[in-house]
Amino acid sequence: QVQLLQSGAEVKKPGASVKVSCQTSGYTFTSYYMHWVRQAPGQGLEWMGWINPKTGVTNYAQKFEGRVTLTRDTSISTAYMDLTRLRSDDTAVYYCARATIVPDFWGQGTLVTVSS
Amino acid sequence: AIQMIQSPSSLSASVRDRITISCRASQDIRNDLAWYQQKPGKAPELLIYAASSLQSGVPSRFSGSGSGTDFTLTISSLQPEDFATYYCLQDYGYPRTFGQGTKVEIK
Repeated sequence: QVQLLQSGAEVKKPGASVKVSCQTSGYTFTSYYMHWVRQAPGQGLEWMGWINPKTGVTNYAQKFEGRVTLTRDTSISTAYMDLTRLRSDDTAVYYCARATIVPDFWGQGTLVTVSS
Repeated sequence: AIQMIQSPSSLSASVRDRITISCRASQDIRNDLAWYQQKPGKAPELLIYAASSLQSGVPSRFSGSGSGTDFTLTISSLQPEDFATYYCLQDYGYPRTFGQGTKVEIK
């Protein structure tokens, strides 16, 4: 069965960076795009970008351009989201989500808390 | 960016009620719209894609309709497990954008 297992919760100080991993199983990793979506506490969903695991090509929301980097390691079927220059309003649950037409299977989410 | 406006932002309903949630796009997005259900503390789950295609495994009481700028999610007979927050997502343009969500509560 399809599984996306994300890394554990993180607490970071403002200005720091965070890297969240998304380990996949149960499907061919390079056959589906991987999207990243975040959700601030009590708020809605916000799309951050996607990576094509086969080619490494990425597409970022302009809001995050220059601060977010999506990468992947095909040898271990794992995708990564790196967010730099963290601010307090980056506190959120970050999700990876496999996509065919649209995201269909989601990871369990990773809470990133940014606090001094 | 394409704006997605959902209505209502919340609603109260009873088991076996029929409910509809609307999503309006700020420009024509053809039928490039999906619907998700999210329960507290859980990841969203895909219900509908391409405006009206039911995702595998999703009960048939869920249906979607619309094209262009106006879309609707209908639950024909609300079940206890359907109380949740629902989001629309446009996958026509970049950045992808979600509606603000509709919380369905028990009356």
